[in-house]
Amino acid sequence: QKEVEQDPGPLSVPEGAIVSLNCTYSNSAFQYFMWYRQYSRKGPELLMYTYSSGNKEDGRFTAQVDKSSKYISLFIRDSQPSDSATYLCAMKPYNTDKLIFGTGTRLQVFP
Amino acid sequence: AAGVIQSPRHLIKEKRETATLKCYPIPRHDTVYWYQQGPGQDPQFLISFYEKMQSDKGSIPDRFSAQQFSDYHSELNMSSLELGDSALYFCASSLEGNNQPQHFGDGTRLSIL
Repeated sequence: QKEVEQDPGPLSVPEGAIVSLNCTYSNSAFQYFMWYRQYSRKGPELLMYTYSSGNKEDGRFTAQVDKSSKYISLFIRDSQPSDSATYLCAMKPYNTDKLIFGTGTRLQVFP
Repeated sequence: AAGVIQSPRHLIKEKRETATLKCYPIPRHDTVYWYQQGPGQDPQFLISFYEKMQSDKGSIPDRFSAQQFSDYHSELNMSSLELGDSALYFCASSLEGNNQPQHFGDGTRLSIL
């Protein structure tokens, strides 16, 4: 079993929809949680970064962390065709540089 | 804003050859990280450096080595290349500290023939 589980999708939604992306994890040592967006042939682009339970909002994006349930989410409001990409969750414990990634969810937003 | 710069973007090598990948971190970032992403897979951590010293080590083959220079750029050296080394190699950089997020470059696509 992978340390981080993420539904690979693909997820297809109409423009303007609210998108919910989720990851679960098994390692209670994970302290830092990130969401990256990756376009084809590009590197992962950091979207959200948090290290506490609760919600963090940045524009159309909201990251949610529930450490008690070992569950993190990314919500995208008013989704746009330009949001079409693969979304990777990533996390790490305090005392290591190694990010553990989910497998990524492919999102397609159609006009 | 300036991002992580990797070179070359594409590299084609034959089995048993050597390759050197370069990474230039975001200005003022002093920590660099290397990841390998196989086709359809998530990135796997290889190694990291802070202030020219190895900071952490992951699943990096013995055939690979890396270093960080005084200007904070880093190079990943790969020898005795195998077909299975074909992948995207990402470099990331951050400010020093366990709580600093990692910012990725666009990668070097290495193809082994």
